[in-house]
Amino acid sequence: DTGVSQDPRHKITKRGQNVTFRCDPISEHNRLYWYRQTLGQGPEFLTYFQNEAQLEKSRLLSDRFSAERPKGSFSTLEIQRTEQGDSAMYLCASRYLADGTGELFFGEGSRLTVL
Amino acid sequence: GNSVTQMEGPVTLSEEAFLTINCTYTATGYPSLFWYVQYPGEGLQLLLKATKADDKGSNKGFEATYRKETTSFHLEKGSVQVSDSAVYFCALRYSSASKIIFGSGTRLSIRP
Repeated sequence: DTGVSQDPRHKITKRGQNVTFRCDPISEHNRLYWYRQTLGQGPEFLTYFQNEAQLEKSRLLSDRFSAERPKGSFSTLEIQRTEQGDSAMYLCASRYLADGTGELFFGEGSRLTVL
Repeated sequence: GNSVTQMEGPVTLSEEAFLTINCTYTATGYPSLFWYVQYPGEGLQLLLKATKADDKGSNKGFEATYRKETTSFHLEKGSVQVSDSAVYFCALRYSSASKIIFGSGTRLSIRP
């Protein structure tokens, strides 16, 4: 399978714990995006990378959230001191910037439940 | 700012009915417009797109026309099938290098 993969698919944690999600994009894609989706809502943009550079962060992304893409391949999204309001589906997507279609390819998401 | 507003759901139709899901946008300049679909248990995937005014995107029997005068990109299908049951998201991208902004989604259920 050469699509976008995310791990873990489901994470249940207690409030105050740290969690980390991993995303492996499609191999030739230089852009990688993180979105958050809550029930009944559309994906909300969190941040994106071009290769290893983080180019934009949403105001939604508090200082408890950090994302990295150290070698321009996979990416991690860490949430420190989780709160119940962090419960959501975290989506990763990738694209090749020079591809004129502009299509984003999404993974199936990592669902976080904070108790 | 740039935003997308789409018809609230859920929408329930009988098989072979005509479908319209409304979408309007607010954006500076000339954004590209998209419809993404999320089938049960699957990730979002691109359904169709249009990059300039009066363009019509089409795929799998679905169509949407980029209307700059009404800032709309309504999704239509002439005869829906049970397999079209999914959540549909209207979205825009205001430049070729920018992020995509999504609407809140419309859940569509088709009765046999």
